[in-house]
Amino acid sequence: DSGVTQTPKHLITATGQRVTLRCSPRSGDLSVYWYQQSLDQGLQFLIQYYNGEERAKGNILERFSAQQFPDLHSELNLSSLELGDSALYFCASSVAGTVEGETQYFGPGTRLLVL
Amino acid sequence: AQSVTQLDSHVSVSEGTPVLLRCNYSSSYSPSLFWYVQHPNKGLQLLLKYTSAATLVKGINGFEAEFKKSETSFHLTKPSAHMSDAAEYFCVVRSATDKLIFGTGTRLQVFP
Repeated sequence: DSGVTQTPKHLITATGQRVTLRCSPRSGDLSVYWYQQSLDQGLQFLIQYYNGEERAKGNILERFSAQQFPDLHSELNLSSLELGDSALYFCASSVAGTVEGETQYFGPGTRLLVL
Repeated sequence: AQSVTQLDSHVSVSEGTPVLLRCNYSSSYSPSLFWYVQHPNKGLQLLLKYTSAATLVKGINGFEAEFKKSETSFHLTKPSAHMSDAAEYFCVVRSATDKLIFGTGTRLQVFP
């Protein structure tokens, strides 16, 4: 158990809908990262937040957005869902996100299926 | 830009035989490199990491990896495979902007 929690575990929805994925980082970690794992794209970094502020952006679609709240939990919002958004979404956390070699701890993921 | 290439998409070994999962990296500076493992329907777990200290890195569950700058490699090895090692393994490099860049993964099968 990494100490990172994600809810829900599974999500089934229809095209055009909007969903929210939630992540609670390990106690004391200030950085939260979101990753998408799909069959065709592999594991890709989406976005990073540090202490409430966006720090880095990866291959995140405009239909997707995220935020980190004062209690440091984070939410990833996916809207106007398409079939291709079906994937496993991981959240990871680390203490600061700036230290060389700092470990990112991954949650169990949320499996999203868009029908 | 940093990148990693995992040279084998599938590796099959017999239980008790050595494991070698190959990874080459590309980086314009001394990289931070990691190996993560993903068991079926599970999250990602860190096996080991290299951060410019010792070039031979020991990880959990008997795995180790050697950083070879001259070969730009960071291969993962284990002397004796166990059935429970069957999983997907990812070689990862940390970018200058702190994000992790994952390789395409190597699926390890272990036969009895």
